[in-house]
Amino acid sequence: AQSVTQLGSHVSVSEGALVLLRCNYSSSVPPYLFWYVQYPNQGLQLLLKYTTGATLVKGINGFEAEFKKSETSFHLTKPSAHMSDAAEYFCAVSDRGSSNTGKLIFGQGTTLQVKP
Amino acid sequence: EADIYQTPRYLVIGTGKKITLECSQTMGHDKMYWYQQDPGMELHLIHYSYGVNSTEKGDLSSESTVSRIRTEHFPLTLESARPSHTSQYLCASTEQGFTGELFFGEGSRLTVL
Repeated sequence: AQSVTQLGSHVSVSEGALVLLRCNYSSSVPPYLFWYVQYPNQGLQLLLKYTTGATLVKGINGFEAEFKKSETSFHLTKPSAHMSDAAEYFCAVSDRGSSNTGKLIFGQGTTLQVKP
Repeated sequence: EADIYQTPRYLVIGTGKKITLECSQTMGHDKMYWYQQDPGMELHLIHYSYGVNSTEKGDLSSESTVSRIRTEHFPLTLESARPSHTSQYLCASTEQGFTGELFFGEGSRLTVL
C-alpha cells in the first residue's frame, strides 16, 4: 500500500532563510507526487506536482521540489522564506493505476513557521 | 480561484443531532471528494463520487453518508452526531481528466458536545 511520510511536523525558519520540507513516499511504482499548502482557516491549494518528465518541478510562490526515485523522496524547497509562507504543507501521492480516480494519499502535514 | 463552497464553516451541536454539511462547486467537475482532517494528522478520504448517482466509501471508515443527485452538489450527512465526529471536513473536486489538482473548499469545522 502507498504511504507518505513527512519528516518533521513543525519547521521553523527565519525570514530570508532556506526552506526545506521533507517528504518520502512508499510505492511499488513511481507515483504522481504533489505538494499542497493550507493557509489558516482555508482549504488546500496546489503548490506543484510531478507526473512525468523533468524531475525538478517549479511551483507557485517560488517553491520547487525534486523527485528522486532512488531516495523515494520529493522534498520541497524555497531559497528565501517570506513571512507569508507560514502555513501547513502537505505532501501527497497518487499511484499511476488510480491516477484517473483523483484519489490522493496525504502525509500528516508540516507546519512552517517563519520568524522575523 | 476555485469555485467550491462549503457551509457551514463552523458548527457546534449537541450529541444526537442530525447534521448536513453542504458542498457545492460551479466548475462542472464530475469527481468530488470528502476528506476528514484532524489537527496534526493527514487528510483521510471518507467519501468520493465520480458523477451523478455515484458514491463510494473512502479509505477511512466513516458513519457519515453522502449523496450525489446533482453534479454540482455533494452533501455529507451525519444522522446522529457524537463527540468522536468532531473534526474538520474538507470537500474537493477535480475535472474528469485528472491532472492532479484537487480544488478544495474552505472546510467545515464540526464540534459535537
